[in-house]
Amino acid sequence: EVQLVESGGSLVQPGGSLKLSCVASGFTFSNYWMDWVRQTPGKSLEWIGEINTDGSKTNYAPSIKDRFTISRDNAKSTLYLQMSNVKSDDTAIYYCTTTYFDYWGQGVMVTVSS
Amino acid sequence: DVVLTQTPSILSATIGQSVSISCRSSQSLLDSDGNTYLYWFLQRPGQSPQRLIYLVSNLGSGVPNRFSGSGSGTDFTLKISGVEAEDLGVYYCMQATHAPRTFGGGTKLELK
Repeated sequence: EVQLVESGGSLVQPGGSLKLSCVASGFTFSNYWMDWVRQTPGKSLEWIGEINTDGSKTNYAPSIKDRFTISRDNAKSTLYLQMSNVKSDDTAIYYCTTTYFDYWGQGVMVTVSS
Repeated sequence: DVVLTQTPSILSATIGQSVSISCRSSQSLLDSDGNTYLYWFLQRPGQSPQRLIYLVSNLGSGVPNRFSGSGSGTDFTLKISGVEAEDLGVYYCMQATHAPRTFGGGTKLELK
């Protein structure tokens, strides 16, 4: 059974940093591009970015570029989202997903507030 | 960025009724490789999104065949032929032809 399990969500102050993790199981993680998507409270979904299979290539949404970094550790079947200089607008549920969007994690909540 | 406009924003239906949701794009979603990267998702209350349709009309794994997708260029439609209680939630379209990927605003399907 395919599983994606996110962790690392918490309350963080504006300007702070946070690192989210997503542990994958049930499929060959190293063969898949992976994405992060977020959902702000009561609103629609927003694509954050993607990473290729070996981690050498990433693409980001303009709204978060230069503040967020996606990386992966294929040996640990784990995807990461490093969030820096966070703003109140970054308050959202963050999901990891395969790049075909056929599998999603349960999501993790990040709240940016002083 | 490509803007996806979904209509209606709220859809009231009875069990067994057939309904359609429209997704219109601000640009053609036909890619230079010949594919049209238009997806449909359902998000049930309290759950993560679930992929229903990919490449306009291909049914995702395990998705009931009462769901169907159609369209081309800038106009796309998701049809549910006979709504069931488990279909209630918010439906989203998404395009992956142009960077960045973008989602529609959502259509909430509720019981009449």
